[in-house]
Amino acid sequence: NAGVTQTPKFQVLKTGQSMTLQCAQDMNHNSMYWYRQDPGMGLRLIYYSASEGTTDKGEVPNGYNVSRLNKREFSLRLESAAPSQTSVYFCASSADLSNQPQHFGDGTRLSIL
Amino acid sequence: GDSVTQMEGPVTLSEEAFLTINCTYTATGYPSLFWYVQYPGEGLQLLLKATKADDKGSNKGFEATYRKETTSFHLEKGSVQVSDSAVYFCALADYGQNFVFGPGTRLSVLP
Repeated sequence: NAGVTQTPKFQVLKTGQSMTLQCAQDMNHNSMYWYRQDPGMGLRLIYYSASEGTTDKGEVPNGYNVSRLNKREFSLRLESAAPSQTSVYFCASSADLSNQPQHFGDGTRLSIL
Repeated sequence: GDSVTQMEGPVTLSEEAFLTINCTYTATGYPSLFWYVQYPGEGLQLLLKATKADDKGSNKGFEATYRKETTSFHLEKGSVQVSDSAVYFCALADYGQNFVFGPGTRLSVLP
């Protein structure tokens, strides 16, 4: 019953460093999402992938890139980390881009110094 | 576009008190409605859902009814426990569109 698995769980970076957040789901879902959660800001959508082979920008895509590696995996890359990207990042998946519920991972807590 | 409004709290209650967290929405279509719960240090977990008007979602003593006439989906629980302390998110989803989440309501239950 893994569901949505995110790695790493915690990470500290220096400004300007790059890193990739990994996400994998085992529910055979078509759609996957990356959110960031900041105090007082709720959840904000960064990028999403409606189906394998497609990706689209969400509400706050600047400074990020994504790759839908296959149906299971959807990674988020920070090319040049900035302190403003300090946040908790959540990956989610759903059967498709419809009215079906999203299932969330446990998050990656990222601090950028 | 679609939107979700919910009371932001924090809400502080004593154990065994009655809980209501208000949620209202605006949508152009006929969305499904959800409540998610987030415990400290964890991701969001689906608590309950309703897919059409007058549906009642329920789970773990929590209930919410999809009210199309008032565009509301208020979360209720008759007797809260300390273990219910968490952040609760109301959300909607419609075909071909991304989820829309409310800002979350922090609930603290005191023994």
